Amino acid sequence: AQKITQTQPGMFVQEKEAVTLDCTYDTSDQSYGLFWYKQPSSGEMIFLIYQGSYDEQNATEGRYSLNFQKARKSANLVISASQLGDSAMYFCAMREDTGRRALTFGSGTRLQVQP
Amino acid sequence: NAGVMQNPRHLVRRRGQEARLRCSPMKGHSHVYWYRQLPEEGLKFMVYLQKENIIDESGMPKERFSAEFPKEGPSILRIQQVVRGDSAAYFCASSRSDDQPQHFGDGTRLSIL
Repeated sequence: AQKITQTQPGMFVQEKEAVTLDCTYDTSDQSYGLFWYKQPSSGEMIFLIYQGSYDEQNATEGRYSLNFQKARKSANLVISASQLGDSAMYFCAMREDTGRRALTFGSGTRLQVQP
Repeated sequence: NAGVMQNPRHLVRRRGQEARLRCSPMKGHSHVYWYRQLPEEGLKFMVYLQKENIIDESGMPKERFSAEFPKEGPSILRIQQVVRGDSAAYFCASSRSDDQPQHFGDGTRLSIL
């Protein structure tokens, strides 16, 4: 069974600094995808970044990058140059490429960016 | 902006009533997923549909809950005889194919009085 673990319920970061949000996963599948979503206080879910299990390069999207360490089964999100608008809940999710197509989500990390 | 559209944004029902939640996927997307989020928790998968077909309903309660995605019109998540425990945010997501990222709507916040 799939499992996603986010061990940091809350994180603080100073504006303009970088922050790493941890995510570890457990799967017996060889082919899978890892996703990060942002949920601001207004409640919507915003897709940030995707990493395929066979991608050799770490994914990057603007200020977001995914530090993918396959052997450790970790997929940490790195946000560079934090902005006040980055304050939100962040969810890591996984989808196995065989079988169920649904996303399995972690419990989330609440990030607060301080001025 | 042709994102995933969910309505209503907020829905209040009394115990025993029916709740109908609607989701129009993004243009060109034929795969729809419904998730439920309880307060301070991550999203939990409920059901996955393609046009006129339920592909996976393993996350949906066996009783009172049903979902459809007709040939024409939005996907509907229907909850009959609602109870207080049904209070949650219900999110719909859509994708172009089952290996593409899922894009979420803004959710429907269901409150049961």
